[in-house]
Amino acid sequence: DTAVSQTPKYLVTQMGNDKSIKCEQNLGHDTMYWYKQDSKKFLKIMFSYNNKELIINETVPNRFSPKSPDKAHLNLHINSLELGDSAVYFCASSQDIYGYTFGSGTRLTVV
Amino acid sequence: AQSVTQLGSHVSVSEGALVLLRCNYSSSVPPYLFWYVQYPNQGLQLLLKYTTGATLVKGINGFEAEFKKSETSFHLTKPSAHMSDAAEYFCAVISRGSARQLTFGSGTQLTVLP
Repeated sequence: DTAVSQTPKYLVTQMGNDKSIKCEQNLGHDTMYWYKQDSKKFLKIMFSYNNKELIINETVPNRFSPKSPDKAHLNLHINSLELGDSAVYFCASSQDIYGYTFGSGTRLTVV
Repeated sequence: AQSVTQLGSHVSVSEGALVLLRCNYSSSVPPYLFWYVQYPNQGLQLLLKYTTGATLVKGINGFEAEFKKSETSFHLTKPSAHMSDAAEYFCAVISRGSARQLTFGSGTQLTVLP
């Protein structure tokens, strides 16, 4: 049973396209997150949702739009993809301060 | 804003040698502290955490870390490195009273030499 699952695992697309990454958690956690890991392995939070409400919205281009249809799902939609968007995107969830559970990541390559 | 510094982006040790990965945080109020490991092409796995209580924390795979308030540090150690320990290690913090935001250090790549 996968705790936090992301799809797709790999995504190769052309500049200018619009794409979505889906995330689902079956842990019953109340908060979900999107992180971006760049080519130097640096991890930075992008968004956080608590019970479908946006809590954290870091400085991210407005081409990135998270959507949370329910507290078990947090999707990431990206418009007009750019080369610099190439990265690994991680979804995570948490219920308290005792740690997050991460998905296995989506490697996005924009060509 | 809370920040965390990992000294040494690359650390190499011989198999069987001591592993020491350094982490320091910047806050007058100690945050919650975590170490995560990332194996190649995989997600992040929690190794151990410190929230309150005993300052020496034991985690999975033989790792442990000690919270030292006077040094604002949370260094990760393992007495004897194994080849399977080769991975990227991240120190992370959650500020007390924050919106439960997990902030990561820049990571340390551990190489284990045969």
